[in-house]
Amino acid sequence: ETGVTQTPRHLVMGMTNKKSLKCEQHLGHNAMYWYKQSAKKPLELMFVYSLEERVENNSVPSRFSPECPNSSHLFLHLHTLQPEDSALYLCASSQVAGGGAEAFFGQGTRLTVV
Amino acid sequence: RKEVEQDPGPFNVPEGATVAFNCTYSNSASQSFFWYRQDCRKEPKLLMSVYSSGNEDGRFTAQLNRASQYISLLIRDSKLSDSATYLCVVNEGGFKTIFGAGTRLFVKA
Repeated sequence: ETGVTQTPRHLVMGMTNKKSLKCEQHLGHNAMYWYKQSAKKPLELMFVYSLEERVENNSVPSRFSPECPNSSHLFLHLHTLQPEDSALYLCASSQVAGGGAEAFFGQGTRLTVV
Repeated sequence: RKEVEQDPGPFNVPEGATVAFNCTYSNSASQSFFWYRQDCRKEPKLLMSVYSSGNEDGRFTAQLNRASQYISLLIRDSKLSDSATYLCVVNEGGFKTIFGAGTRLFVKA
């Protein structure tokens, strides 16, 4: 069993749909993250949660809405997305938030917006 | 200037070769440095942290040059399994962790 699991692995959605990405970590970490990885671009940090409290929001459009109900689960709710939002969405966790803590990534959800 | 810049490659090297990657960063106040590895269609995984004194892990050596604001990764005796994208990662303090776009390495038999 991997330390960080994401579902679904692949998602195709229309621009008017609402969907959610799920992430679960089994490592007992206190911090969780959402990243976006587009083709040939660096990973972009979207959101950071520390002890279930959002501590960072990197100017992400409101059509992306995170939720962290407990320290083991993280969701990314999606609505009225645009084709340019198609990317690999990676969840990660670390022992503590920020600094030099190693991040453990899930395998990602490959999202296609049509 | 990009915050973290890497040569995208690809680097094509034969098995057994030594290959080196450099990465430059723009913020002189950056505090922590890492190399991650990402296999094709997989998630990134930590390869090694980079310390001021440099560090070595088997065939991999990482160096930090704060004066010139770059970090390097040296791979000796390349294996086929080393083929991947190598991501340079810089933490500027707090939650501001910046990933480079990655350098692709192909090791050929």
